[in-house]
Amino acid sequence: DVKVTQSSRYLVKRTGEKVFLECVQDMDHENMFWYRQDPGLGLRLIYFSYDVKMKEKGDIPEGYSVSREKKERFSLILESASTNQTSMYLCATAFPGKSSYEQYFGPGTRLTVT
Amino acid sequence: AQKVTQAQTEISVVEKEDVTLDCVYETRDTTYYLFWYKQPPSGELVFLIRRNSFDEQNEISGRYSWNFQKSTSSFNFTITASQVVDSAVYFCALSEAQGGSEKLVFGKGTKLTVNP
Repeated sequence: DVKVTQSSRYLVKRTGEKVFLECVQDMDHENMFWYRQDPGLGLRLIYFSYDVKMKEKGDIPEGYSVSREKKERFSLILESASTNQTSMYLCATAFPGKSSYEQYFGPGTRLTVT
Repeated sequence: AQKVTQAQTEISVVEKEDVTLDCVYETRDTTYYLFWYKQPPSGELVFLIRRNSFDEQNEISGRYSWNFQKSTSSFNFTITASQVVDSAVYFCALSEAQGGSEKLVFGKGTKLTVNP
């Protein structure tokens, strides 16, 4: 079974802090994704990566950056957290080059910025 | 641009009722894939089904069934004899291939509550 883990289930940070959200997968998938989920807005793609050190912007990259130094780990970074970044963050992975394959999701991190 | 619309924001039914969740999509691709995911209160999205654009056969898995109709760009999901454990948010999604990397475009989700 694919396992996607995220470093925290719940996180509380202060405005202006630098925040790191970590995602680790154990299935050797090239593709990894970061989404945020907000009520009434569904899932929106922040960034994705299709290889180590490769990244592409999703639909809402502003205020975020990512890091992919190893294949199994994809980090989402909030350079200076703001209250409007309070949200549920979901990481996902998928086989490369196969849009027929589903994405596997982690349990999510619920981030609150105060 | 690709788009997925789930017009039903919330649905509430009583246990054992049948319920259909609607999904309408837009795409200019001739080859694409459609998905349904379930998000129970625990938060983790669970994959339910994948369907490619060339296969319009309906699919049944236990109490779950899916109706794919290209003519109406719809991929609806029916739960027969609903149970309390079916309570969750359900997302419909469409694959999008861009420059060799794949992304999913999600609908906004339908929250299903099954009452005992």
